[in-house]
Amino acid sequence: DQQVKQNSPSLSVQEGRISILNCDYTNSMFDYFLWYKKYPAEGPTFLISISSIKDKNEDGRFTVFLNKSAKHLSLHIVPSQPGDSAVYFCAASILTGNQFYFGTGTSLTVIP
Amino acid sequence: DGGITQSPKYLFRKEGQNVTLSCEQNLNHDAMYWYRQDPGQGLRLIYYSQIVNDFQKGDIAEGYSVSREKKESFPLTVTSAQKNPTAFYLCASSPLAGAFNEQFFGPGTRLTVL
Repeated sequence: DQQVKQNSPSLSVQEGRISILNCDYTNSMFDYFLWYKKYPAEGPTFLISISSIKDKNEDGRFTVFLNKSAKHLSLHIVPSQPGDSAVYFCAASILTGNQFYFGTGTSLTVIP
Repeated sequence: DGGITQSPKYLFRKEGQNVTLSCEQNLNHDAMYWYRQDPGQGLRLIYYSQIVNDFQKGDIAEGYSVSREKKESFPLTVTSAQKNPTAFYLCASSPLAGAFNEQFFGPGTRLTVL
């Protein structure tokens, strides 16, 4: 059973606009969340994380928002650039645990 | 350069043969992980190891085996018991075990069983 879901398999955005990638989870015990970015034929690379004690974390053009009551997190990329075109995975974990649970990924295309 | 290497990038095997995927890291990380990715699915954990000579099953360990004889190496064997072995396999490591640690991924091996 998929505990972390990314319901949009793909997203297209114009360069310079905002990209919003969404992620939902079912396990209320999750308290640490990450976003990874993956280019074709490469392994995922870490992008940004957030713990459940916060509802927002920013790093440059990337901001992650966490809504614990809705069990939802989102990644905002502003402004979007063509180099952001990749597959984005969200992942969730229980801090006292040993593994992450990954979503299915959203393929972002930023159109120049 | 520090990082994680997986070889080969593409691997073809006949059905019924065991095959071993290589994963090496020179990051001095304690923990290592193997994931499998299938189309339309997220990364699923096969096995992980928190320390040398110790490893734990993940969610989909059936048909796979691992060893951790050295800190820098965590090979994965896909056995003939694995019913659907064709997939993209990713190895990862983290400085310490525990879900609070960012994991660093290798480039992956695409295994095709004919």
